[in-house]
Amino acid sequence: GQNIDQPTEMTATEGAIVQINCTYQTSGFNGLFWYQQHAGEAPTFLSYNVLDGLEEKGRFSSFLSRSKGYSYLLLKELQMKDSASYLCAVSGRDYQLIWGAGTKLIIKP
Amino acid sequence: TAGITQAPTSQILAAGRSMTLRCTQDMRHNAMYWYRQDLGLGLRLIHYSNTAGTTGKGEVPDGYSVSRANTDDFPLTLASAVPSQTSVYFCASGRDSGANVLTFGAGSRLTVL
Repeated sequence: GQNIDQPTEMTATEGAIVQINCTYQTSGFNGLFWYQQHAGEAPTFLSYNVLDGLEEKGRFSSFLSRSKGYSYLLLKELQMKDSASYLCAVSGRDYQLIWGAGTKLIIKP
Repeated sequence: TAGITQAPTSQILAAGRSMTLRCTQDMRHNAMYWYRQDLGLGLRLIHYSNTAGTTGKGEVPDGYSVSRANTDDFPLTLASAVPSQTSVYFCASGRDSGANVLTFGAGSRLTVL
């Protein structure tokens, strides 16, 4: 079957660095997405990886290893506004997205 | 501001009643999607449309129907609501049916009693 796993919840301190992991098993692979979702709001796009390696975008970076079925989202210099859920999604063989349940990130001062 | 508009924002519905959730986008995106989001579960695809005039079933289509008469509108209908359809519903769109970034509407919170 197809499966996306990510931790349910993580806690980090303001100003620190946090890494949110995502492992996947899918039939076909056309890229991996990370979305951010604040409580009560819609998901918004953060990053997209289709080749192995690190993509950096400001304070956020995303890494992909296709051979290991593994990705992580790295958030640096954490701010209180980064408190949100982070959703990992894989575009499978038919390009439909398979979504993880999301990781709720709690930032403490 | 370009984007997706969903209506209503929230609704309480008696079991057995019908309901249509509306979704309109102004980005001229070809692909549109309806997802439901439940606590502890990932977004689950209900129905999708790769282009105007075509629709397809997603992971959890039972009890729902959609239509895509034009590019902009993609309504979701519950013919006879049941309590298990209590959820937050998100409409989303993408440039096409490939691996594209999705833009989401603000969501519709539906409670079926």
